[in-house]
Amino acid sequence: KAGVTQTPRYLIKTRGQQVTLSCSPISGHRSVSWYQQTPGQGLQFLFEYFSETQRNKGNFPGRFSGRQFSNSRSEMNVSTLELGDSALYLCASGPGTSGSRLYEQYFGPGTRLTVT
Amino acid sequence: TQLLEQSPQFLSIQEGENLTVYCNSSSVFSSLQWYRQEPGEGPVLLVTVVTGGEVKKLKRLTFQFGDARKDSSLHITAAQPGDTGLYLCAGVGSSNTGKLIFGQGTTLQVKP
Repeated sequence: KAGVTQTPRYLIKTRGQQVTLSCSPISGHRSVSWYQQTPGQGLQFLFEYFSETQRNKGNFPGRFSGRQFSNSRSEMNVSTLELGDSALYLCASGPGTSGSRLYEQYFGPGTRLTVT
Repeated sequence: TQLLEQSPQFLSIQEGENLTVYCNSSSVFSSLQWYRQEPGEGPVLLVTVVTGGEVKKLKRLTFQFGDARKDSSLHITAAQPGDTGLYLCAGVGSSNTGKLIFGQGTTLQVKP
């Protein structure tokens, strides 16, 4: 099976701009989650989508939003970029079904966002 | 707020040595996972432990879930340079909120 893919891999934006990141999950996975990873804060959960609906949300401002399409592909949008948004944004897909595998995450390589 | 604390934060050892990484919390977790992340890549799932006291082995890696499901450990026997990376534990709260909580990670460097 092909793994999780994310595009683009690297991105440089200016403060105040907006950005859209894309994620294609593993075939058959219906759950897609987004995480922000920084040296200071580590890996922090942004939100999870399951069957096109946001199922869980982390503690991030409303500038961070996402959506999931009928084919399970997902996009994340950050509006009015701030310097502090510079980070590695990771997308992860999972079975999203019941049982011990419910929360297993399969990560993509990430998008490195730099805000100048 | 449920937190996972990992120790040590950094570890630099020689090839062939043994090591243990700890993941602790004051809260109960319904399951706990361990991931390894290499530079420029996303974390890769190593194992999921679900039952208190559970022990799982993956080649030279041994994972244990505490009896009370509040802590876990990862033991590596005879470490190799290929084991170098960031090790992350992640837990699902007992209230099953669906949010995976990650520890800050342990950076392991194994020198040849």
